[in-house]
Amino acid sequence: SAVISQKPSRDICQRGTSLTIQCQVDSQVTMMFWYRQQPGQSLTLIATANQGSEATYESGFVIDKFPISRPNLTFSTLTVSNMSPEDSSIYLCSVELGTGGEQYFGPGTRLTVT
Amino acid sequence: GESVGLHLPTLSVQEGDNSIINCAYSNSASDYFIWYKQESGKGPQFIIDIRSNMDKRQGQRVTVLLNKTVKHLSLQIAATQPGDSAVYFCAESSGANNLFFGTGTRLTVIP
Repeated sequence: SAVISQKPSRDICQRGTSLTIQCQVDSQVTMMFWYRQQPGQSLTLIATANQGSEATYESGFVIDKFPISRPNLTFSTLTVSNMSPEDSSIYLCSVELGTGGEQYFGPGTRLTVT
Repeated sequence: GESVGLHLPTLSVQEGDNSIINCAYSNSASDYFIWYKQESGKGPQFIIDIRSNMDKRQGQRVTVLLNKTVKHLSLQIAATQPGDSAVYFCAESSGANNLFFGTGTRLTVIP
């Protein structure tokens, strides 16, 4: 497995502002992913972030709202832009180790928008 | 998109008993499945995976069964312990690296 950290672990933000979440992994990985987990619900994939290319967004998620950076093989950021209370969720990054498809998750960032 | 769901949203078991958590999926092209455990305030923790060329795989105290005919997946936990209390998710993939998660089952172990 890998050690994956996220910053911040939680935040309370005002509507209309933006928050950038960082994800750091202790080994080089090609594929990183960002998920959203709304309160009491399952995980939904936001986008796939590969180093050196534009992130690939799932249906219902757009780059203007969730811009992603992937500057190197150990780091990625997700920005939640122009936040509204509906964006209150846990945001999780994950990494794929090897080529088998196994994904390992960070601890998550709990975002509350007031 | 894929549809992955769970039959039971909650499950309570006595400590020491075996637990069985079920999951149904709808995409017949899915070829890779993972079970995750998520404790409160933490990210999902990888438990065990299985590929579509297998129907059973065992780990430490856990067994995953895959029935492709009825598109059903189950996680069996032997001798359930209080530390097993968590929400369990199944996730499936059809080879595109994207995982689609089921709705989750909350397992409560009664001492």
